Amino acid sequence: AQKVTQAQTEISVVEKEDVTLDCVYETRDTTYYLFWYKQPPSGELVFLIRRNSFDEQNEISGRYSWNFQKSTSSFNFTITASQVVDSAVYFCALSEISGGYQKVTFGTGTKLQVIP
Amino acid sequence: DTGVSQNPRHKITKRGQNVTFRCDPISEHNRLYWYRQTLGQGPEFLTYFQNEAQLEKSRLLSDRFSAERPKGSFSTLEIQRTEQGDSAMYLCASSPRTQGADTGELFFGEGSRLTVL
Repeated sequence: AQKVTQAQTEISVVEKEDVTLDCVYETRDTTYYLFWYKQPPSGELVFLIRRNSFDEQNEISGRYSWNFQKSTSSFNFTITASQVVDSAVYFCALSEISGGYQKVTFGTGTKLQVIP
Repeated sequence: DTGVSQNPRHKITKRGQNVTFRCDPISEHNRLYWYRQTLGQGPEFLTYFQNEAQLEKSRLLSDRFSAERPKGSFSTLEIQRTEQGDSAMYLCASSPRTQGADTGELFFGEGSRLTVL
């Protein structure tokens, strides 16, 4: 069975600080996909990144960066120079392909509060 | 197209009543998903449609729940004889048509929040 663990329930940082959100996953599949989604107070989940299990290259997009380490089954997310607009709940997710569609398992989320 | 649209955004009902939620996916997306999210938890998969065919249902979807997607466009999720445990946010997501398996991002709506008194 798939499992995604986000051990940090809530994090508060002061604006401009860097913050890392942890994600650890479990799966028996050799081919899988990892995602990060952002859920602002409005409720809509917003896609941030997708990674497949064969691509361990780290990725940077503006102030966001992701560190995928298969050896430790982790897919951590770092926000550099945080801003108040980054305040949201962030979900890490793992998907397996079953019958041609994604079966996505989400973690419980990390609530990030950026204090001005 | 402005994205996935869900309505109503919030529904308050008394226990035992029936409720129906509607989801309008992004028009060119043929795959549609329903998820349920309770407070402090991540979304949990409920069911999946490819075009008008319902291809997968979670064990979370009891007999009181039924979902349809007539003509492969909008979808409805009906809950009969609601219980207090049904209180949650019901999220709809869609993803675009691909030649192979669906491996890309899901586009979520803002959700329909159900409160059962």
